[in-house]
Amino acid sequence: QKEVEQDPGPLSVPEGAIVSLNCTYSNSAFQYFMWYRQYSRKGPELLMYTYSSGNKEDGRFTAQVDKSSKYISLFIRDSQPSDSATYLCASSFQTGNQFYFGTGTSLTVIP
Amino acid sequence: GAVVSQHPSWVICKSGTSVKIECRSLDFQATTMFWYRQFPKQSLMLMATSNEGSKATYEQGVEKDKFLINHASLTLSTLTVTSAHPEDSSFYICSAIPGTLDQPQHFGDGTRLSIL
Repeated sequence: QKEVEQDPGPLSVPEGAIVSLNCTYSNSAFQYFMWYRQYSRKGPELLMYTYSSGNKEDGRFTAQVDKSSKYISLFIRDSQPSDSATYLCASSFQTGNQFYFGTGTSLTVIP
Repeated sequence: GAVVSQHPSWVICKSGTSVKIECRSLDFQATTMFWYRQFPKQSLMLMATSNEGSKATYEQGVEKDKFLINHASLTLSTLTVTSAHPEDSSFYICSAIPGTLDQPQHFGDGTRLSIL
């Protein structure tokens, strides 16, 4: 079993839709949870970073962590064509340690 | 802040040559840097963890004599692919962690390596 599982998609939504991206993880000792956005032929860009359980909001993006169910979510409100990218979730025990990445979900927002 | 620069962004070379890729933290000091490899439509595969002033820690299955890592300063780590062959063609990405802040990894823009 992989440490972090993520549905690869692809996911296609119309502009303005709410997007829900999800991951599950297997190790209950994970404390840090990240979402990265990766455009084609570019490095991953940090979107959201949360510690332990709870919600974190930044503009149109909301990250949720439910440690009881080992579930990580990223919500994108009012999705834009510029949001079209691959989204990677990641978990770690500590910030300085190895990250465990999901396989990434490919998102296309159609104008 | 927390900008990581990677150079070159794209390199094409002949089989048998060695290629060096640089990873620099531009506005912070990084005691730890990571090197990843990514195949098309796949996730990041950790190759090695690079710590300033010490030997890199390689993941299982990664040949340390093939992929030489040098983290000589707090702002620079290099990955040298020695005697590269077509199967080494891939997208190589580095990341760095700001040493004084409780932050996650910040990634460079990657290097596309093509071996002919």
